[in-house]
Amino acid sequence: AQKVTQAQTEISVVEKEDVTLDCVYETRDTTYYLFWYKQPPSGELVFLIRRNSFDEQNEISGRYSWNFQKSTSSFNFTITASQVVDSAVYFCALSGYSSASKIIFGSGTRLSIRP
Amino acid sequence: DTAVSQTPKYLVTQMGNDKSIKCEQNLGHDTMYWYKQDSKKFLKIMFSYNNKELIINETVPNRFSPKSPDKAHLNLHINSLELGDSAVYFCASSQGLINEKLFFGSGTQLSVL
Repeated sequence: AQKVTQAQTEISVVEKEDVTLDCVYETRDTTYYLFWYKQPPSGELVFLIRRNSFDEQNEISGRYSWNFQKSTSSFNFTITASQVVDSAVYFCALSGYSSASKIIFGSGTRLSIRP
Repeated sequence: DTAVSQTPKYLVTQMGNDKSIKCEQNLGHDTMYWYKQDSKKFLKIMFSYNNKELIINETVPNRFSPKSPDKAHLNLHINSLELGDSAVYFCASSQGLINEKLFFGSGTQLSVL
């Protein structure tokens, strides 16, 4: 069975601090995809990144960076120099490689950035 | 133009009623989905359709019936609404069927009284 665990239910930091959101996954598939989505207070879910299981290179996009480690089954997300606009619920998700694959979401981490 | 649009945004109704939520995507995607988000923000897939064909049906009560008249539309009809159906329902679409990123609608907040 596939599972995504986001152990941090809520995180609150002061603006400009760096913050890391943890994501641990379980799957028996050798090929799989990992995702992060952002859900701001407006409610809409926004895609941030997709990474396949064969690509362990870390990725950086502006203030966002992702650390994928197969050895620990983790796909952590770091926001550098956080801003109030980063306040949102962040979801990590996993999808196996089959025609009927579905994206399984973690329970989300609510991130609050205080001014 | 909104890529994935769903209506209505809010739906308040009494137990036992029947209601529908409509979803349309103008991205030319082949696959559409319904997800349910409960009060604890937990997101769970309900259905997915690929080119109007049902691909995923996730142990959803048969009071929920999706209908896809064409690949740009996926509607959700709910019969005999129950209190436990209160949630936010998200429509989404993706280009392909496997591991593609999802484009979400803005959600429909359903409140059953």
